[in-house]
Amino acid sequence: GNSVTQMEGPVTLSEEAFLTINCTYTATGYPSLFWYVQYPGEGLQLLLKATKADDKGSNKGFEATYRKETTSFHLEKGSVQVSDSAVYFCALRRETSGSRLTFGEGTQLTVNP
Amino acid sequence: DGGITQSPKYLFRKEGQNVTLSCEQNLNHDAMYWYRQDPGQGLRLIYYSQIVNDFQKGDIAEGYSVSREKKESFPLTVTSAQKNPTAFYLCASSIDRYSGNEQFFGPGTRLTVL
Repeated sequence: GNSVTQMEGPVTLSEEAFLTINCTYTATGYPSLFWYVQYPGEGLQLLLKATKADDKGSNKGFEATYRKETTSFHLEKGSVQVSDSAVYFCALRRETSGSRLTFGEGTQLTVNP
Repeated sequence: DGGITQSPKYLFRKEGQNVTLSCEQNLNHDAMYWYRQDPGQGLRLIYYSQIVNDFQKGDIAEGYSVSREKKESFPLTVTSAQKNPTAFYLCASSIDRYSGNEQFFGPGTRLTVL
C-alpha cells in the first residue's frame, strides 16, 4: 500500500541555519507529492507540491524536488527563521485514489533566535 | 472570506457520550474529509465525501459516523464505540474528487473525553 516516511523529530536549529527534512514514499505509479505546514494550534496549510518526476516545488524559501529514482521528496530551506517553527508533513496522492492523501508522521521544527 | 470553520475549538465530554463535531465550508467545494491527529502519528483519514449524499470510510472509521446532506456541511459524530476518542480532529475540503487539487484545512477541534 501507500506510505510516507519522514525523518524523526524534533529538529532544533538556530536562526539562519540550513534545513533539510527527509521524506521518502512507497507507492505504485506516479503519485503527486506535497508538503504541508501546521503552526501551533492551527490546521494545515499547503506549503508546496510536485506532480511529476523531477518537478521542483517552491514557496516562501522552501524547496523540494520529486526524485522518482530515490522515491524521495526532501524539504529544504537555506536560512530558517524563528517564524518557521512548526510541524511539517509530507504527503502523497496516488493517481488512482482521487483526492485522498496519505500523510507522514510529521516533523516538529523549532528555530531558536 | 472563504474558508473552513470548525467549532468548537475545544470540546470536553464524558466517557460514553456521543459528540458531534461541526465542519462548514463556503468554498463551494465538492469533496470534504475528516482526519484524526495524534502525537507522533501524523494524520489519519476517518471518512471522506466526494459529493453530497455520498461518503466513504477512510482508514480508521470504526466508532465514527458522518452525514453529507448539504454541500457546505460535513459533521462528524464520535460515538461511544470509539475506544480512544481524545484527539485533535481536522476537517478539510477540496474542489472535487480528482487528483491535482489542494486540500484546504480548518483550524481543528481538540476533543477531550474525561
